[in-house]
Amino acid sequence: AQSVTQLDSQVPVFEEAPVELRCNYSSSVSVYLFWYVQYPNQGLQLLLKYLSGSTLVKGINGFEAEFNKSQTSFHLRKPSVHISDTAEYFCAVIPSSGGSYIPTFGRGTSLIVHP
Amino acid sequence: KAGVTQTPRYLIKTRGQQVTLSCSPISGHRSVSWYQQTPGQGLQFLFEYFSETQRNKGNFPGRFSGRQFSNSRSEMNVSTLELGDSALYLCASSTGTGVDYEQYFGPGTRLTVT
Repeated sequence: AQSVTQLDSQVPVFEEAPVELRCNYSSSVSVYLFWYVQYPNQGLQLLLKYLSGSTLVKGINGFEAEFNKSQTSFHLRKPSVHISDTAEYFCAVIPSSGGSYIPTFGRGTSLIVHP
Repeated sequence: KAGVTQTPRYLIKTRGQQVTLSCSPISGHRSVSWYQQTPGQGLQFLFEYFSETQRNKGNFPGRFSGRQFSNSRSEMNVSTLELGDSALYLCASSTGTGVDYEQYFGPGTRLTVT
């Protein structure tokens, strides 16, 4: 079984400041990793994913994440946030073997960008 | 390409009643998954249907059931509603075959049980 821990439930930050949202996972097998964003009153939208290859992954809206296998982490970063980045962010994993395509989600991190 | 649609968007029901939620996936997607989202429990997986068969199931009581039709549209039913069933119910579609592993979510149905 897999588990995902998002270390911060809420991250307040000022506009144009950098931000890092932390995600750690636990799994007995290799995993694929994802970050999703949920804006108010909407469903989730994929920001980026790591399946293989370069451990630094770039996604939409200027976000990037780095997969660190030894630390079992997949932290999300943005060098300069906008007010419009205010949303809930979810980290998720899918086992890379076993034939299950169902993601295990973390509890989410609420990013609040202040002007 | 049209996105995932869910109907209705909002629903108010009374304890003891039953409810049916509908989800239309992206064209060509054969997998539909359902999630319950609450502030206390976060995102919890209910079940997944692939080609009209339930392929995966989460840890929810039997009051929660679903089905998928030949056109991949899916319905979720909750019988004997409880106050704790108040939540945002999200549907997600995907290829279901490990092509890209991305789940495409609908906007959700907000269910309030009074």
